[in-house]
Amino acid sequence: EVQLVESGGGLVTPGGSLRLSCAASGFTFSSYSMNWVRQAPGKGLEWVSSISSSSGYIYYADSMKGRFTISRDNAKNSLYLQMNSLRADDTAVYYCARGSRIQLSNSVFDYWGQGTRVTVSS
Amino acid sequence: EIVLTQSPGTLSLSPGERATLSCRASQSVSNNYLAWYQQKPGQAPRLLIYDASSRATGIPDRFSGSGSGTDFTLTISRLEPDDFAVYYCQQYDSAWTFGQGTKVEIK
Repeated sequence: EVQLVESGGGLVTPGGSLRLSCAASGFTFSSYSMNWVRQAPGKGLEWVSSISSSSGYIYYADSMKGRFTISRDNAKNSLYLQMNSLRADDTAVYYCARGSRIQLSNSVFDYWGQGTRVTVSS
Repeated sequence: EIVLTQSPGTLSLSPGERATLSCRASQSVSNNYLAWYQQKPGQAPRLLIYDASSRATGIPDRFSGSGSGTDFTLTISRLEPDDFAVYYCQQYDSAWTFGQGTKVEIK
């Protein structure tokens, strides 16, 4: 059974940093692209960042470029999101999601974790 | 960036009725790289449809997707109580973007 478990969320002050983790199990992690998607309170889904299976290709949504860094450790079956210079509008539930294909492009998100909540507030 | 516009914002229907949800793209989505997700309160999204019309694993056949180019539709043939939720479309042709969602509520 595919499982994705996010952790690392919490309360952080504006300008602060946070590192999210996603632990994967039930599939060959190194064979799939991975993604982060967020959802602000009461709002819709927003794609954040994606990384290919071998970390060779990485993409970010424009509003996250330069502040967020996605990475993965295939030996540990883990995905990460380093978030710096956090703002109030980064407050959201952050989901990790598996890409459906080995290649990053044109992959749909076929399995999702339950999310971790990030609150940016003073 | 491909912008997706979903309509209507809210659909009020009764169990057993047919639901038709629309997703319109600001430019053509190549190869029908369009997906639909279902999200219930407090839960993660669940993939329903990919490549515009292919059902994901375990998705009942009352869910169907259609369309091409810029106009796509999700149809739920006969609503069951478990189907009342928010539905999002997503394009994965050029990076990834989501529509704003359609809420299907009990009338």
